[in-house]
Amino acid sequence: AQSVAQPEDQVNVAEGNPLTVKCTYSVSGNPYLFWYVQYPNRGLQFLLKYITGDNLVKGSYGFEAEFNKSQTSFHLKKPSALVSDSALYFCAVRDMTKDSNYQLIWGAGTKLIIKP
Amino acid sequence: GAVVSQHPSRVICKSGTSVKIECRSLDFQATTMFWYRQFPKQSLMLMATSNEGSKATYEQGVEKDKFLINHASLTLSTLTVTSAHPEDSSFYICSARRARPDHEQYFGPGTRLTVT
Repeated sequence: AQSVAQPEDQVNVAEGNPLTVKCTYSVSGNPYLFWYVQYPNRGLQFLLKYITGDNLVKGSYGFEAEFNKSQTSFHLKKPSALVSDSALYFCAVRDMTKDSNYQLIWGAGTKLIIKP
Repeated sequence: GAVVSQHPSRVICKSGTSVKIECRSLDFQATTMFWYRQFPKQSLMLMATSNEGSKATYEQGVEKDKFLINHASLTLSTLTVTSAHPEDSSFYICSARRARPDHEQYFGPGTRLTVT
């Protein structure tokens, strides 16, 4: 079965410091991986995705993620955190199995808190 | 970019009444739409998947007679919460999958339902 794990419920980072939000996955076949951000009482905003190619993917708002096949990880990173980055972050993998409708399998989410 | 709208953004209703939430893909045809429910500080829970012109497929534990889903066209799906109860209060998010070129999913901004 395909799954996504976000091992940290919450990550606290001081403003200006680098941040990492962790994600590991389990899929059969090649993974299609995504990161989304959700601000309070808002829908999901797409940050970035990995389909194929360069293992370092750059996305919106200065975020990037590194695909590591051997560690089955897709950690989200940013070199210098902003207070406005405080939000809920979700990692997801697309289910490519037959009859799945290509639905996304979601991690539990990680709350990112950036302190001034 | 592809846009998905959701209406209303917030709704308050009394117990026993029904509420309809609309989800529209504004600039693409969505062969599949997904309905999610999100509890506070939690991940998205897939409720059902609907393909245009056919009956929705409900996830285990989701009452199909309570959460009526209609996907009558390639740009519109509706979720009707029938005989609402306070425990139905939640954040409901729809997502539309674009068949071409990439099966990408786009999310609506969500609907906050409060049942009093």
